[in-house]
Amino acid sequence: GESVGLHLPTLSVQEGDNSIINCAYSNSASDYFIWYKQESGKGPQFIIDIRSNMDKRQGQRVTVLLNKTVKHLSLQIAATQPGDSAVYFCAENYPGRRALTFGSGTRLQVQP
Amino acid sequence: SQTIHQWPATLVQPVGSPLSLECTVEGTSNPNLYWYRQAAGRGLQLLFYSVGIGQISSEVPQNLSASRPQDRQFILSSKKLLLSDSGFYLCAWSVRGLLSYEQYFGPGTRLTVT
Repeated sequence: GESVGLHLPTLSVQEGDNSIINCAYSNSASDYFIWYKQESGKGPQFIIDIRSNMDKRQGQRVTVLLNKTVKHLSLQIAATQPGDSAVYFCAENYPGRRALTFGSGTRLQVQP
Repeated sequence: SQTIHQWPATLVQPVGSPLSLECTVEGTSNPNLYWYRQAAGRGLQLLFYSVGIGQISSEVPQNLSASRPQDRQFILSSKKLLLSDSGFYLCAWSVRGLLSYEQYFGPGTRLTVT
């Protein structure tokens, strides 16, 4: 069936470097994408979202890029900090569906 | 501002015992409500969602059920727990409407079935 998946299960970066977390989706009808951050033992927290009529959206130290041609989504974190260490999930939605479909997650480890 | 509560935070239950997890939302009306389960080191699996009182949609067949007795209350239940029911249970809400997809998650309940 349709699914959202991730290329890398674990990403290790040095503090201060930029991080890029990738996500592939397969449902061409998806029109909304969202990134969540989940720290150990806590519920996911919203980071940033993007609709399919956009290619790029920026937040504070984060940027989401959407490439609809290849059905690819990425989350870029600038100047990665130890507090960014967490599991990051992408999720998608499409018209008529009332719930997000989540990918399997990528663990980001920031080395001091 | 809106807040979402879940309790208990942790729970250890024997196989075959009943379960009741509660979720309440404050600061919003008529939300969509969701129950997810997360196995250790895994992604989120949608279990149930609700668009209104008494309206429950089940995503996967399982040993669990959900109810929404009030607008901002969502309950996850089981009559007899299985070992495979262990996991991290997350409740979430979203604004009802065609354009709003963002979901806000609660702190979760860690369930261990022994």
